[in-house]
Amino acid sequence: KAGVTQTPRYLIKTRGQQVTLSCSPISGHRSVSWYQQTPGQGLQFLFEYFSETQRNKGNFPGRFSGRQFSNSRSEMNVSTLELGDSALYLCASTRSGSRNEQFFGPGTRLTVL
Amino acid sequence: AQKVTQAQTEISVVEKEDVTLDCVYETRDTTYYLFWYKQPPSGELVFLIRRNSFDEQNEISGRYSWNFQKSTSSFNFTITASQVVDSAVYFCALSVPTISSNTGKLIFGQGTTLQVKP
Repeated sequence: KAGVTQTPRYLIKTRGQQVTLSCSPISGHRSVSWYQQTPGQGLQFLFEYFSETQRNKGNFPGRFSGRQFSNSRSEMNVSTLELGDSALYLCASTRSGSRNEQFFGPGTRLTVL
Repeated sequence: AQKVTQAQTEISVVEKEDVTLDCVYETRDTTYYLFWYKQPPSGELVFLIRRNSFDEQNEISGRYSWNFQKSTSSFNFTITASQVVDSAVYFCALSVPTISSNTGKLIFGQGTTLQVKP
């Protein structure tokens, strides 16, 4: 069974640009969560989607947004990039009715210059 | 407020030594879940274990064991006979289900970097 996949794996952008990251959950998993990992702040929750609806959101500015499609694939978008947005962005999927185990993808390493 | 503290930033041991990674959590909720994840240099978080707040039974899986004590709000992780391949960053995490999300967001500790030397 394929794991969580994230594309692209690496991305370099400049300040002010926007970026879209993609996440494909494990087959059969309907919940997708996004996390940001930085050396200073550690791992922080961004948002969670289930059945195309955002059902939980972390403390990030409105520049961070996401969506989920009917096939459970999810995208997150960051607009007007800032240097501080440089981070590893991790996506996790959870099977409905599971024991809340979140399985993570390899992440997208975003560098903002 | 919910919080996870991993007081050990870095631990270095020699292969075959036993090592315990500490985790202390804070929550006022009675229903919650605790996790341990391993993050090797590749970056992917690897799920190791999940525990719910009603199950304090310790668990052993091969060289790994976990000690959950609600009285001290701790969920410690021990690696017996450590190996070089155990070198990684280990994260303890807490999640609390809500009305809107029975999955709950993961609240991570700052992580403990384990280096196992040959």
